[in-house]
Amino acid sequence: ELKVEQNPLFLSMQEGKNYTIYCNYSTTSDRLYWYRQDPGKSLESLFVLLSNGAVKQEGRLMASLDTKARLSTLHITAAVHDLSATYFCAVRQGAGNMLTFGGGTRLMVKP
Amino acid sequence: DAGVIQSPRHEVTEMGQEVTLRCKLISGHNSLFWYRQTMMRGLELLIYFNNNVPIDDSGMPEDRFSAKMPNASFSTLKIQPSEPRDSAVYFCASTWGYEQYFGPGTRLTVT
Repeated sequence: ELKVEQNPLFLSMQEGKNYTIYCNYSTTSDRLYWYRQDPGKSLESLFVLLSNGAVKQEGRLMASLDTKARLSTLHITAAVHDLSATYFCAVRQGAGNMLTFGGGTRLMVKP
Repeated sequence: DAGVIQSPRHEVTEMGQEVTLRCKLISGHNSLFWYRQTMMRGLELLIYFNNNVPIDDSGMPEDRFSAKMPNASFSTLKIQPSEPRDSAVYFCASTWGYEQYFGPGTRLTVT
């Protein structure tokens, strides 16, 4: 059974600081997703990582994937308040499109 | 291109009543997923359809839950009879290529 673990579960940080969210998964997979969810809202796709060593960046967020270590990171650079949200990673299981989600990391960026 | 559409957005019902949640896929998408999100259990995959055929329903909690996809663009999730522990936000999502797009969700409260 595929298990996906994120840490930390909760992160409070100051604006302007850098931090990394980690996503570990238990079985081999070739596709990993990062989503953002604002309170009371749906999930918004941030990144899809498709291969070992893949790195994608959008604004202050950068995601990477190491399939050998079964690890993905979401790095936040110079955080701003607008980044406050819950971030989920999700891993494809098997050959289809089924995803298993991590428990989420709730990020609060304080002025 | 319209996104995934869900209805109703909010549903409050009494224990024992039948509840039907509806989802309209993005045109051209061929896979549909029903998820349930709660604070305690996080985001859980309930059932997955591909080309209108149920592929994996192992996440459906019990026989009270049933899902149908009568055509390529529409699906329903039915709970009969509903129980207070079914209270959650229910999301449907559809896929195109690598991307999985989430609907806005239905917040279900069973009293």
